[in-house]
Amino acid sequence: NAGVTQTPKFQVLKTGQSMTLQCAQDMNHEYMSWYRQDPGMGLRLIHYSVGAGITDQGEVPNGYNVSRSTTEDFPLRLLSAAPSQTSVYFCASSYSSFEVFTDTQYFGPGTRLTVL
Amino acid sequence: QKEVEQDPGPLSVPEGAIVSLNCTYSNSAFQYFMWYRQYSRKGPELLMYTYSSGNKEDGRFTAQVDKSSKYISLFIRDSQPSDSATYLCAMSALTGSARQLTFGSGTQLTVLP
Repeated sequence: NAGVTQTPKFQVLKTGQSMTLQCAQDMNHEYMSWYRQDPGMGLRLIHYSVGAGITDQGEVPNGYNVSRSTTEDFPLRLLSAAPSQTSVYFCASSYSSFEVFTDTQYFGPGTRLTVL
Repeated sequence: QKEVEQDPGPLSVPEGAIVSLNCTYSNSAFQYFMWYRQYSRKGPELLMYTYSSGNKEDGRFTAQVDKSSKYISLFIRDSQPSDSATYLCAMSALTGSARQLTFGSGTQLTVLP
């Protein structure tokens, strides 16, 4: 199993550009999520999905869109990049959205995004 | 005020020392408590989780939860240079359609050989 994969590893954008961060998992996980990690802020949840076709907003959803057409893929779209979106983005997945006490969230390696 | 507060460090200790990492929180609904370890330029990986109050031990690692004080701790015994990483606490309340994790900002630990 490749686990959770993310592409690209690094990206530089100009203000106003759009792009899609890719996330895929091969573990048949039901639950997938996107976080951003900023210095001194920890990881903050952007969007999450409890299954194909079902998505919901997290703590910091503004400026981002998601969709989940398959179990494996959960792309994150930046609609019009802003310098405030400079961050490290992590995708995560787990088998179930409910079984917290027996479950493990697996994180991808991250995408480092800089918006100029 | 953040829901979860964590001393960012950095914390530097000699090899073999006992390390204590802590988080405080304000949301009484948190029921599940986790510690993640994150090596430099990598994604976080789950180290330990506990439910409600009490202790849990796994090898050199012990997690403690005191819900009455809204305080959780991670102890690392006989620390090794390979333990050098950022440690993130995370907490969860089961609400709505899915659990959501709230993370602390992380404590950077360096274990010196």
